[in-house]
Amino acid sequence: DVKVTQSSRYLVKRTGEKVFLECVQDMDHENMFWYRQDPGLGLRLIYFSYDVKMKEKGDIPEGYSVSREKKERFSLILESASTNQTSMYLCASTPGTRTYEQYFGPGTRLTVT
Amino acid sequence: GQSLEQPSEVTAVEGAIVQINCTYQTSGFYGLSWYQQHDGGAPTFLSYNGLDGLEETGRFSSFLSRSDSYGYLLLQELQMKDSASYFCAVSHPRSSYKLIFGSGTRLLVRP
Repeated sequence: DVKVTQSSRYLVKRTGEKVFLECVQDMDHENMFWYRQDPGLGLRLIYFSYDVKMKEKGDIPEGYSVSREKKERFSLILESASTNQTSMYLCASTPGTRTYEQYFGPGTRLTVT
Repeated sequence: GQSLEQPSEVTAVEGAIVQINCTYQTSGFYGLSWYQQHDGGAPTFLSYNGLDGLEETGRFSSFLSRSDSYGYLLLQELQMKDSASYFCAVSHPRSSYKLIFGSGTRLLVRP
């Protein structure tokens, strides 16, 4: 069975802290994604990676960075957390060819106070 | 640019049929996907239409008309467990790796 896991379900951080969100997939997928989901806005792409050490900006990359040192692991980093980064963060992966069929992790609900 | 429009909410009765529409404006098109998300859960892939026509998977069907820039998800024999949010998504015109999601339709199934 396909599995994407995320390091935390709930996280509370203070403004200015550096935050790491981890995502691991066990399907040997080439592509991995980080989204944030806010009410009424759907899912918005922050960053994605199509190979180890390769990354591309999504639609809302400001204030975020990513790291992909191993194929199965994709990390999202909030360099200096701000209250407007309070959101649900979802990781996803897809195989190289079926990019329309994304497999999502359970999400991390991050609250920045 | 890309934009997708879908209704924000739909209510239907258990056992009925409901159609969730999605219209899109895009400078390039590679297909329309549908995802389901229960409250507190992760989105899960339902279907994909790369070509015009109807795709059927059990109680769910998805339709695409590229000439009309329009698609829909059809749910038959509605069950209470179908209460969820449904998102349509299109591939980004400059990168087929990326999906652009609509803002979602919240479906409430009443007894």
